[in-house]
Amino acid sequence: AQTVTQSQPEMSVQEAETVTLSCTYDTSENNYYLFWYKQPPSRQMILVIRQEAYKQQNATENRFSVNFQKAAKSFSLKISDSQLGDTAMYFCAFSAYSGAGSYQLTFGKGTKLSVIP
Amino acid sequence: DTGVSQDPRHKITKRGQNVTFRCDPISEHNRLYWYRQTLGQGPEFLTYFQNEAQLEKSRLLSDRFSAERPKGSFSTLEIQRTEQGDSAMYLCASSLGQGSGGYTFGSGTRLTVV
Repeated sequence: AQTVTQSQPEMSVQEAETVTLSCTYDTSENNYYLFWYKQPPSRQMILVIRQEAYKQQNATENRFSVNFQKAAKSFSLKISDSQLGDTAMYFCAFSAYSGAGSYQLTFGKGTKLSVIP
Repeated sequence: DTGVSQDPRHKITKRGQNVTFRCDPISEHNRLYWYRQTLGQGPEFLTYFQNEAQLEKSRLLSDRFSAERPKGSFSTLEIQRTEQGDSAMYLCASSLGQGSGGYTFGSGTRLTVV
Protein backbone atom coordinates (compact mmCIF):
# COMPACT_ATOMS: atom_id res chain seq x y z
CA ALA A 1 0.00 0.00 0.00
CA GLN A 2 1.09 3.52 -0.74
CA THR A 3 1.36 6.23 1.89
CA VAL A 4 1.84 9.96 1.50
CA THR A 5 3.13 12.12 4.34
CA GLN A 6 2.94 15.88 4.60
CA SER A 7 4.77 16.92 7.74
CA GLN A 8 3.75 20.59 7.78
CA PRO A 9 0.12 21.01 8.86
CA GLU A 10 0.28 24.79 8.47
CA MET A 11 2.61 27.29 6.86
CA SER A 12 2.57 30.99 6.16
CA VAL A 13 4.47 33.16 3.73
CA GLN A 14 4.66 36.85 2.99
CA GLU A 15 3.22 37.99 -0.29
CA ALA A 16 5.83 37.92 -3.10
CA GLU A 17 8.09 35.58 -1.13
CA THR A 18 8.92 31.93 -1.87
CA VAL A 19 7.68 28.95 0.13
CA THR A 20 8.37 25.22 -0.09
CA LEU A 21 5.89 22.56 0.97
CA SER A 22 7.23 19.11 1.82
CA CYS A 23 5.92 15.69 0.84
CA THR A 24 7.33 12.21 1.22
CA TYR A 25 5.78 8.98 0.04
CA ASP A 26 6.31 5.28 0.34
CA THR A 27 5.73 2.78 -2.44
CA SER A 28 7.14 -0.37 -3.98
CA GLU A 29 5.97 0.67 -7.43
CA ASN A 30 8.45 1.81 -10.04
CA ASN A 31 6.00 3.54 -12.37
CA TYR A 32 3.80 6.12 -10.74
CA TYR A 33 2.67 9.70 -10.82
CA LEU A 34 2.82 12.45 -8.23
CA PHE A 35 0.59 15.46 -7.96
CA TRP A 36 0.06 18.60 -5.98
CA TYR A 37 -3.56 19.69 -5.63
CA LYS A 38 -4.84 22.98 -4.25
CA GLN A 39 -8.13 23.21 -2.36
CA PRO A 40 -9.20 26.81 -1.74
CA PRO A 41 -11.87 27.61 0.83
CA SER A 42 -14.45 27.23 -1.97
CA ARG A 43 -13.59 23.50 -1.77
CA GLN A 44 -12.99 22.49 -5.39
CA MET A 45 -9.74 20.55 -5.73
CA ILE A 46 -7.54 22.00 -8.48
CA LEU A 47 -4.52 20.33 -10.03
CA VAL A 48 -1.42 22.47 -9.56
CA ILE A 49 1.35 20.32 -11.00
CA ARG A 50 2.13 16.71 -11.87
CA GLN A 51 5.28 14.63 -12.16
CA GLU A 52 5.84 11.28 -13.84
CA ALA A 53 8.24 9.09 -11.87
CA TYR A 54 10.19 8.01 -14.95
CA LYS A 55 11.06 11.61 -15.80
CA GLN A 56 14.12 12.95 -14.05
CA GLN A 57 13.42 16.55 -14.98
CA ASN A 58 11.46 18.42 -12.35
CA ALA A 59 8.07 19.72 -13.48
CA THR A 60 7.41 23.45 -13.64
CA GLU A 61 4.16 25.36 -14.12
CA ASN A 62 4.63 29.12 -14.06
CA ARG A 63 5.31 30.04 -10.40
CA PHE A 64 5.03 26.45 -9.24
CA SER A 65 7.87 23.93 -9.42
CA VAL A 66 8.71 20.65 -7.78
CA ASN A 67 11.85 19.04 -6.42
CA PHE A 68 11.42 15.34 -7.17
CA GLN A 69 13.94 13.06 -5.47
CA LYS A 70 12.97 9.53 -6.48
CA ALA A 71 15.56 7.70 -4.41
CA ALA A 72 14.58 9.65 -1.32
CA LYS A 73 10.87 9.39 -2.20
CA SER A 74 10.48 13.10 -1.76
CA PHE A 75 8.30 15.47 -3.76
CA SER A 76 8.32 19.07 -2.55
CA LEU A 77 6.43 22.00 -4.05
CA LYS A 78 7.99 25.44 -4.39
CA ILE A 79 5.75 28.45 -4.88
CA SER A 80 7.57 31.56 -6.06
CA ASP A 81 6.27 35.12 -5.86
CA SER A 82 3.44 34.05 -3.56
CA GLN A 83 0.08 35.69 -4.18
CA LEU A 84 -2.94 36.13 -1.92
CA GLY A 85 -4.86 33.74 -4.17
CA ASP A 86 -2.41 30.97 -3.27
CA THR A 87 -3.99 30.78 0.18
CA ALA A 88 -5.45 27.25 0.33
CA MET A 89 -4.97 23.69 1.51
CA TYR A 90 -2.33 21.92 -0.55
CA PHE A 91 -2.45 18.17 -0.94
CA CYS A 92 0.30 15.94 -2.20
CA ALA A 93 -1.03 12.84 -3.98
CA PHE A 94 0.29 9.62 -5.47
CA SER A 95 -1.15 7.51 -8.27
CA ALA A 96 -0.20 4.15 -9.74
CA TYR A 97 -2.02 1.45 -11.67
CA SER A 98 -4.10 -0.47 -9.16
CA GLY A 99 -4.51 -3.73 -11.06
CA ALA A 100 -8.26 -3.25 -11.25
CA GLY A 101 -7.93 -0.59 -13.90
CA SER A 102 -7.97 2.53 -11.78
CA TYR A 103 -5.32 5.10 -11.06
CA GLN A 104 -6.80 6.04 -7.73
CA LEU A 105 -5.16 8.83 -5.83
CA THR A 106 -3.65 8.45 -2.37
CA PHE A 107 -3.52 11.81 -0.62
CA GLY A 108 -1.52 13.24 2.25
CA LYS A 109 -3.27 15.08 5.07
CA GLY A 110 -2.56 18.45 3.53
CA THR A 111 -0.72 21.66 4.36
CA LYS A 112 -2.71 24.81 5.06
CA LEU A 113 -0.88 27.70 3.41
CA SER A 114 -1.66 31.28 4.31
CA VAL A 115 -0.24 34.12 2.25
CA ILE A 116 0.11 37.26 4.35
CA PRO A 117 -0.23 40.67 2.70
CA ASP B 1 -17.17 21.90 -20.83
CA THR B 2 -18.76 22.98 -17.58
CA GLY B 3 -16.56 20.85 -15.33
CA VAL B 4 -17.68 18.22 -12.86
CA SER B 5 -20.98 19.03 -11.17
CA GLN B 6 -22.18 17.62 -7.88
CA ASP B 7 -25.59 17.92 -6.35
CA PRO B 8 -26.55 18.83 -3.70
CA ARG B 9 -23.79 21.05 -2.30
CA HIS B 10 -24.99 20.47 1.25
CA LYS B 11 -27.16 17.79 2.81
CA ILE B 12 -28.30 17.56 6.41
CA THR B 13 -30.05 14.35 7.36
CA LYS B 14 -31.17 12.54 10.46
CA ARG B 15 -29.40 9.40 11.52
CA GLY B 16 -30.96 6.37 9.95
CA GLN B 17 -32.21 8.13 6.83
CA ASN B 18 -31.07 7.32 3.30
CA VAL B 19 -29.33 9.91 1.15
CA THR B 20 -28.33 10.02 -2.51
CA PHE B 21 -25.77 12.25 -4.18
CA ARG B 22 -25.33 12.89 -7.86
CA CYS B 23 -22.23 13.57 -9.93
CA ASP B 24 -22.18 14.74 -13.53
CA PRO B 25 -18.66 14.29 -14.94
CA ILE B 26 -17.14 16.04 -17.90
CA SER B 27 -19.03 14.56 -20.83
CA GLU B 28 -16.15 12.90 -22.66
CA HIS B 29 -14.53 11.49 -19.50
CA ASN B 30 -14.94 7.72 -19.26
CA ARG B 31 -13.48 7.31 -15.78
CA LEU B 32 -15.24 8.43 -12.63
CA TYR B 33 -14.11 8.28 -9.00
CA TRP B 34 -15.77 8.91 -5.66
CA TYR B 35 -13.73 10.08 -2.68
CA ARG B 36 -14.62 10.92 0.92
CA GLN B 37 -12.92 13.72 2.80
CA THR B 38 -13.30 14.17 6.55
CA LEU B 39 -12.25 17.27 8.43
CA GLY B 40 -8.51 17.75 8.56
CA GLN B 41 -7.80 14.82 6.26
CA GLY B 42 -7.01 14.31 2.62
CA PRO B 43 -9.62 12.64 0.41
CA GLU B 44 -9.87 8.85 0.59
CA PHE B 45 -10.78 6.66 -2.36
CA LEU B 46 -14.21 5.02 -2.30
CA THR B 47 -14.96 3.59 -5.74
CA TYR B 48 -14.11 3.75 -9.44
CA PHE B 49 -16.11 3.41 -12.65
CA GLN B 50 -14.86 2.92 -16.16
CA ASN B 51 -17.83 3.81 -18.33
CA GLU B 52 -20.78 2.04 -16.65
CA ALA B 53 -18.74 -0.69 -14.98
CA GLN B 54 -17.82 -0.37 -11.31
CA LEU B 55 -14.34 -1.90 -11.35
CA GLU B 56 -12.97 -1.14 -7.92
CA LYS B 57 -14.34 -0.53 -4.43
CA SER B 58 -12.48 0.48 -1.31
CA ARG B 59 -12.91 -1.40 1.94
CA LEU B 60 -14.24 1.94 3.21
CA LEU B 61 -17.34 1.32 1.12
CA SER B 62 -19.48 -0.64 3.55
CA ASP B 63 -22.63 -2.52 2.60
CA ARG B 64 -24.64 0.61 3.36
CA PHE B 65 -23.00 2.38 0.44
CA SER B 66 -23.89 1.77 -3.19
CA ALA B 67 -22.85 3.57 -6.33
CA GLU B 68 -24.08 3.40 -9.88
CA ARG B 69 -23.22 4.92 -13.20
CA PRO B 70 -25.99 4.00 -15.64
CA LYS B 71 -25.06 4.32 -19.30
CA GLY B 72 -21.62 5.58 -18.33
CA SER B 73 -22.82 9.12 -17.83
CA PHE B 74 -23.77 10.60 -14.44
CA SER B 75 -23.18 8.67 -11.23
CA THR B 76 -25.06 8.37 -7.97
CA LEU B 77 -23.77 7.48 -4.52
CA GLU B 78 -26.37 6.28 -2.03
CA ILE B 79 -25.86 5.84 1.68
CA GLN B 80 -28.49 3.81 3.50
CA ARG B 81 -29.23 4.05 7.23
CA THR B 82 -26.84 6.96 7.69
CA GLU B 83 -24.65 7.13 10.77
CA GLN B 84 -22.93 10.13 12.35
CA GLY B 85 -19.60 8.75 11.15
CA ASP B 86 -20.79 9.23 7.57
CA SER B 87 -20.57 13.01 8.00
CA ALA B 88 -17.98 14.15 5.49
CA MET B 89 -17.40 15.81 2.15
CA TYR B 90 -18.08 13.45 -0.75
CA LEU B 91 -16.02 14.33 -3.81
CA CYS B 92 -16.46 13.15 -7.36
CA ALA B 93 -13.70 13.27 -9.95
CA SER B 94 -13.49 12.30 -13.59
CA SER B 95 -10.76 11.72 -16.12
CA LEU B 96 -10.25 10.78 -19.74
CA GLY B 97 -8.17 7.67 -20.12
CA GLN B 98 -5.82 6.60 -17.38
CA GLY B 99 -6.00 9.75 -15.30
CA SER B 100 -2.26 9.98 -15.10
CA GLY B 101 -2.69 13.57 -16.15
CA GLY B 102 -4.71 14.29 -13.09
CA TYR B 103 -8.43 14.36 -12.53
CA THR B 104 -11.03 17.08 -12.56
CA PHE B 105 -12.82 17.29 -9.25
CA GLY B 106 -16.28 18.56 -8.46
CA SER B 107 -16.99 20.94 -5.59
CA GLY B 108 -18.27 18.12 -3.43
CA THR B 109 -21.36 17.37 -1.35
CA ARG B 110 -21.09 18.16 2.34
CA LEU B 111 -23.08 15.60 4.34
CA THR B 112 -24.00 16.25 7.95
CA VAL B 113 -25.74 13.48 9.87
CA VAL B 114 -27.49 14.69 13.03
